[in-house]
Order: sequence, then structure tokens, then C-alpha cells
Amino acid sequence: GAVVSQHPSWVICKSGTSVKIECRSLDFQATTMFWYRQFPKQSLMLMATSNEGSKATYEQGVEKDKFLINHASLTLSTLTVTSAHPEDSSFYICSAPGPRGQYEQYFGPGTRLTVT
Amino acid sequence: AQSVSQHNHHVILSEAASLELGCNYSYGGTVNLFWYVQYPGQHLQLLLKYFSGDPLVKGIKGFEAEFIKSKFSFNLRKPSVQWSDTAEYFCAVLSGGYNKLIFGAGTRLAVHP
Repeated sequence: GAVVSQHPSWVICKSGTSVKIECRSLDFQATTMFWYRQFPKQSLMLMATSNEGSKATYEQGVEKDKFLINHASLTLSTLTVTSAHPEDSSFYICSAPGPRGQYEQYFGPGTRLTVT
Repeated sequence: AQSVSQHNHHVILSEAASLELGCNYSYGGTVNLFWYVQYPGQHLQLLLKYFSGDPLVKGIKGFEAEFIKSKFSFNLRKPSVQWSDTAEYFCAVLSGGYNKLIFGAGTRLAVHP
């Protein structure tokens, strides 16, 4: 089946620094990937849609300059949290529509970010 | 805007009990509905999905869901739960033509042996 990986799985950074999270589709190509944020004991909130070769589409209320998304290839999307603050601490999850069709999405294992 | 509501935030059951988790969506047009499961420490996995056709959808691990258009519901069921079903369950709807999944708040299920 289609596999989506994320790296790192867990990261701690200091306030004010930037952190990059990678999302890869391992055995299929994805022109679109999605980034979600999940707070403890809460649901997944869509942050943005990553589009290969073009700008990402951000959901309302998500700061574009803070959460930089780059989809440089058909198998890789990156999310960079810039000037991180403790309130950015969260679980970040990416997904990609699988090779069988756009309606079935495959999720990465998530990246837990802790900002101190 | 589409939204999804899950009625039960936390459910505790004993093994062999029957399960029904509620899910309602707010959209009157054609909907594509999903149930995902997140086992402790693992990533989201698709349990089942509904696009069209038979409103009773069967998924993996003995789960099924029924799409009732008149009630805007897509409840998840399992006749007899196991301890291994302990997980968080998310209902989701595909947002129009944008391939975006809108998730419900999730239901945390704990099954006691």
C-alpha cells in the first residue's frame, strides 16, 4: 500500500528558532499533500494544501509567513515553522492522496514539535 | 462550510460489547465520508469510506457504517469490540472538490478486557 513518512518524528527546539518537517510519499507520487495540526486530545485541523510546483494554499487563520510550505518534488513536501514559540508546540501530520485516486488519503505518522 | 460533529468524545466498553459511534455532517449535496482510526502511537488509518451506492459500508476489522442521508449521519458500528479496538476514531467528510478532509473532534474508545 501507499506509505507516507515524516521526519523527524519528534523534535524539541528553542523559542525563536525554525524547524523543518519533511513529508515523503515513499512509493507513489503526490502532486498534492496536506498538512494538519493536532492538539492534545483534539481533532486534526487542516493547515494548508501543498501543491507541487506552485504555492501552497493556506486555511483561514493560518499564518503563511510562519508556516512555510515547499513542495519541491512529487514525493516531498516540507513544513518549516519559523520563529517558533511555545504555542506552536503540537503534533503535525501530513497526508497525501493515494495512487488509486484522490479520495483516499494516506497519513504520515506525525511529528511532535515541542518549543521550549 | 462543511462540518462534522461526533457526539461521543469518550466511550468505555467491555470486550464483546457492541459499539456505535455517532457522526453527523452538515452538507446537503453529494458527500464523501470516511472513518479513520488512530491506534495509540500510530498514524491514522482508513477504516472505511462511503462515496455512493449501498449506504451500508463494510470496512476493515469488522467495522461497518451506515450512511443515512435524511439524518445527515454516518455512524460507525461494530457488533463485538475487542481490547485491540482501543483507539481514537475520527469521522471525516471530503470538502467539495478540494480534496480536503474535514475531521470531527474524534471519539476516544477504551475497551476493557
